[in-house]
Amino acid sequence: AQSVTQPDIHITVSEGASLELRCNYSYGATPYLFWYVQSPGQGLQLLLKYFSGDTLVQGIKGFEAEFKRSQSSFNLRKPSVHWSDAAEYFCAVTPWGSARQLTFGSGTQLTVLP
Amino acid sequence: EAGVTQFPSHSVIEKGQTVTLRCDPISGHDNLYWYRRVMGKEIKFLLHFVKESKQDESGMPNNRFLAERTGGTYSTLKVQPAELEDSGVYFCASSLSSYEQYFGPGTRLTVT
Repeated sequence: AQSVTQPDIHITVSEGASLELRCNYSYGATPYLFWYVQSPGQGLQLLLKYFSGDTLVQGIKGFEAEFKRSQSSFNLRKPSVHWSDAAEYFCAVTPWGSARQLTFGSGTQLTVLP
Repeated sequence: EAGVTQFPSHSVIEKGQTVTLRCDPISGHDNLYWYRRVMGKEIKFLLHFVKESKQDESGMPNNRFLAERTGGTYSTLKVQPAELEDSGVYFCASSLSSYEQYFGPGTRLTVT
């Protein structure tokens, strides 16, 4: 069965610092990969997605993620964090070529210090 | 364009009572999904509708949960009777034939 691991439950960074959130997946073939963000009181918002092609994908709010097939990873990065980035971040996968269910990681809570 | 909406935003009920959650997808989205996040756990898939048909209900925890999607538009998720372990946040999402799911704000259900 496919699974998604986000090893960091909670990360704290200072405003202006760089950020990397880790995501590893276990799946028989390369799935479709997503990062979602949930701000307090809000629903899940899609930050970016990877289906195929260039392994470095750009998303909204200045985020990017790099797909590394050899490491089964899809880490999320941002060069300079803003206080408004404080939220919970979820990595998710779905089987290639389908519009089926998402399998989520357990989430990483990001705290941004002033 | 309106996003996915869910009602109510919060619900507090006693064990043994019934609760019905509602989801209105983005207009024209044939795919509708329900997910649940129990406190401290991952967001877990419950079921998937394509129009009014259940495409996949493998994530439904037991027969106390009943989902419907009338006319392929809005969907309801009924829990009857509710148990303590049903507490959590219930998310609804919708999508076109693409693989990008749009999520609602969720319904926080507390069973006491």
